[in-house]
Amino acid sequence: AQSVTQPDIHITVSEGASLELRCNYSYGATPYLFWYVQSPGQGLQLLLKYFSGDTLVQGIKGFEAEFKRSQSSFNLRKPSVHWSDAAEYFCAVGLPSGSARQLTFGSGTQLTVLP
Amino acid sequence: NAGVMQNPRHLVRRRGQEARLRCSPMKGHSHVYWYRQLPEEGLKFMVYLQKENIIDESGMPKERFSAEFPKEGPSILRIQQVVRGDSAAYFCASSPGTGSSYEQYFGPGTRLTVT
Repeated sequence: AQSVTQPDIHITVSEGASLELRCNYSYGATPYLFWYVQSPGQGLQLLLKYFSGDTLVQGIKGFEAEFKRSQSSFNLRKPSVHWSDAAEYFCAVGLPSGSARQLTFGSGTQLTVLP
Repeated sequence: NAGVMQNPRHLVRRRGQEARLRCSPMKGHSHVYWYRQLPEEGLKFMVYLQKENIIDESGMPKERFSAEFPKEGPSILRIQQVVRGDSAAYFCASSPGTGSSYEQYFGPGTRLTVT
């Protein structure tokens, strides 16, 4: 069965420290890959996406992610975290075929930023 | 440029009542998706619609749930005879009809509480 795994339920970092959030997927083919951020009580905002091409993708708010086919991973990174980055982060995948357009989400990683 | 709009933002229903959730996609978007987020979980796909057509309802519960996206007006997710287990946040997303249909833009969600 297809699945998306975010191994870290909760991560705490100090402001200014670097950040890496992990995402692994299990699909028969290379899916389309996304990272979304959700602030409390809000909807989801798209941070970045990967469809094809360069495996290092840049997103908004200083985030980047790297697709590694050999590891079936799409980890999210940020060199220096700001207090406003505290939120929940979701990795999502979509299958690039057929009429299906649904996204499958991981269970999320809650990020806490210490002053 | 208005984003995806959902109303109401909060909805309280007693067991056995009906819940109607509305979603207006972004301007120019003709594809709508509904997702459900249970507490402490990621989003789960429910249904994918285009104008006047249900394209994929593989995530919809077989009973009590229905969705529509009429030629005019918002998309509606309808839950009949609600039960406590229906309490969740329901998110709508939209995407353009061409090109990056996987790039979905989310609304702020409707938080349904069943008492």
